[in-house]
Amino acid sequence: DAKTTQPPSMDCAEGRAANLPCNHSTISGNEYVYWYRQIHSQGPQYIIHGLKNNETNEMASLIITEDRKSSTLILPHATLRDTAVYYCIDGSSNTGKLIFGQGTTLQVKP
Amino acid sequence: GAGVSQSPRYKVAKRGQDVALRCDPISGHVSLFWYQQALGQGPEFLTYFQNEAQLDKSGLPSDRFFAERPEGSVSTLKIQRTQQEDSAVYLCASSVTRGLYEQYFGPGTRLTVT
Repeated sequence: DAKTTQPPSMDCAEGRAANLPCNHSTISGNEYVYWYRQIHSQGPQYIIHGLKNNETNEMASLIITEDRKSSTLILPHATLRDTAVYYCIDGSSNTGKLIFGQGTTLQVKP
Repeated sequence: GAGVSQSPRYKVAKRGQDVALRCDPISGHVSLFWYQQALGQGPEFLTYFQNEAQLDKSGLPSDRFFAERPEGSVSTLKIQRTQQEDSAVYLCASSVTRGLYEQYFGPGTRLTVT
């Protein structure tokens, strides 16, 4: 079973920032926070990951709270192509396998 | 460069038939994963290979499911005596080495059992 919880759906206006929340209530000290997304009819795509510190790459920013019980994925300027299901995952480096939940369906609207 | 490829992209099987799904990972990637995704659900882990060794098959739903990666590159997921509940998208992913690194996913094979 998935260890994270996310809202089932969110809307965002094109050009605005999309902020996707995730609760990691059972995350352990050596587990990383990973975000993937899945555009319709495609395989999931890696976005970003982090352990404690906030992270930023060309796709997104990741904010992790100090207690690591929640995180927020930020798409700074959402486009229509960002419409997808977004998954947050607690990743153990020991196993490598990803345990997906239901994810958040983000709809970017013009 | 080439990503992860899967074939066939679509497969229709009659109940009771055997099917074989192929995954070509990114060249040089050590780790290979199979996931099953039912309609409207997130992907679910099936099995994991490190090179040719199958290190985790805890997600395989029954003994009708079998996966192999004999030479540490191409992998095949075989489903024997298919059932309607096997209808799903089967996703393959590879990563550069063991442990939790970025996984690159293929487009998946959509299996429909009639």
